[in-house]
Amino acid sequence: NAGVTQTPKFRVLKTGQSMTLLCAQDMNHEYMYWYRQDPGMGLRLIHYSVGEGTTAKGEVPDGYNVSRLKKQNFLLGLESAAPSQTSVYFCASTAEVRRSTDTQYFGPGTRLTVL
Amino acid sequence: SQQGEEDPQALSIQEGENATMNCSYKTSINNLQWYRQNSGRGLVHLILIRSNEREKHSGRLRVTLDTSKKSSSLLITASRAADTASYFCASRGAGSYQLTFGKGTKLSVIP
Repeated sequence: NAGVTQTPKFRVLKTGQSMTLLCAQDMNHEYMYWYRQDPGMGLRLIHYSVGEGTTAKGEVPDGYNVSRLKKQNFLLGLESAAPSQTSVYFCASTAEVRRSTDTQYFGPGTRLTVL
Repeated sequence: SQQGEEDPQALSIQEGENATMNCSYKTSINNLQWYRQNSGRGLVHLILIRSNEREKHSGRLRVTLDTSKKSSSLLITASRAADTASYFCASRGAGSYQLTFGKGTKLSVIP
């Protein structure tokens, strides 16, 4: 049982390049989330999904796209990377919301630098 | 921004002392959660308190919630060097699928 895994762990891009971050969970969770963490800003929600085939925008969605074709995977895409997207990206999943077992499980993060 | 605020931003204490962190949030909530993040790692869930609860305990952790003031506090008793980490509160808005995280308190426990 690996929990939540993220690929890759580190990446350096040049401005204008594209890439996809992969999040996988093996807990059969319905809900999945992508956050970015910047110094002094805490975590900010980029996009989220409430089930296979669904996605929704979070607080800071501009410049990112997501897909949830399989329940266990949540992909985050950067079509044309910008230096402002330099950050640490975290994926999280949860089985339930608004109940006593409302707990998000986080991946280890992807450190992205855009030059 | 919908982010809440934690206070203080940084806290340094001696091992064995108690650490108190405060959190404020902006909207009506279903629950409030606290997470811990060790340097360079993902967040780990610590404790959840529902909007109809006022206090909750888990081991050395005590969480209080005051919905009239839209605030919560996390108390870690008898702190240990291993408690050194950043602590974040996260509020689940009523009817929301999203968690809104605060900016965190960085706790340093000196042996």
